[in-house]
Amino acid sequence: SQELEQSPQSLIVQEGKNLTINCTSSKTLYGLYWYKQKYGEGLIFLMMLQKGGEEKSHEKITAKLDEKKQQSSLHITASQPSHAGIYLCGAPSNTGNQFYFGTGTSLTVIP
Amino acid sequence: DTAVSQTPKYLVTQMGNDKSIKCEQNLGHDTMYWYKQDSKKFLKIMFSYNNKELIINETVPNRFSPKSPDKAHLNLHINSLELGDSAVYFCASSQRGSGYTFGSGTRLTVV
Repeated sequence: SQELEQSPQSLIVQEGKNLTINCTSSKTLYGLYWYKQKYGEGLIFLMMLQKGGEEKSHEKITAKLDEKKQQSSLHITASQPSHAGIYLCGAPSNTGNQFYFGTGTSLTVIP
Repeated sequence: DTAVSQTPKYLVTQMGNDKSIKCEQNLGHDTMYWYKQDSKKFLKIMFSYNNKELIINETVPNRFSPKSPDKAHLNLHINSLELGDSAVYFCASSQRGSGYTFGSGTRLTVV
């Protein structure tokens, strides 16, 4: 099976600060997904990366997949309280029949 | 229209009871999943069905039995509920080549 390790496990930042969450895979990634979960809500899809070196941005969130396709980072610029939640990376197996999630990163943004 | 809908959203029940969680997707996806989210927010896959056929059955007590009457539905039945079954259960669906869509989760509390 595939293991996805996220770091840090939890993060507390002051509003306005930048932050980065990392996701490292034990195997080559065949797609990497970033999700956000808020308490009491389902998972919200943020971005998907497939190609080595790919980078995508949406509002103040940027996700990158390294050239070797084994590590991804999620960067938030000028964090806001609305960014608080749990961020999960996820990846399908090479067959696409299984899906694995990272260990999760809990983000708290202090106003 | 909700793409992946789970019912109920919250379920509080006593130990020893039998309960079911329903999941329906209207995306035309051919694969559906059940995940359990533990207290550390780590999501663990339990079952996966592709075109009504069971393809993933991770180490899960046999008190948990998935049922897929058709491609659009994957229900989870749990017998003899135990305290340790308390968790949030997520249903998801996918189609090869596209992303994964999750339900909003069912918070099960066993008392």
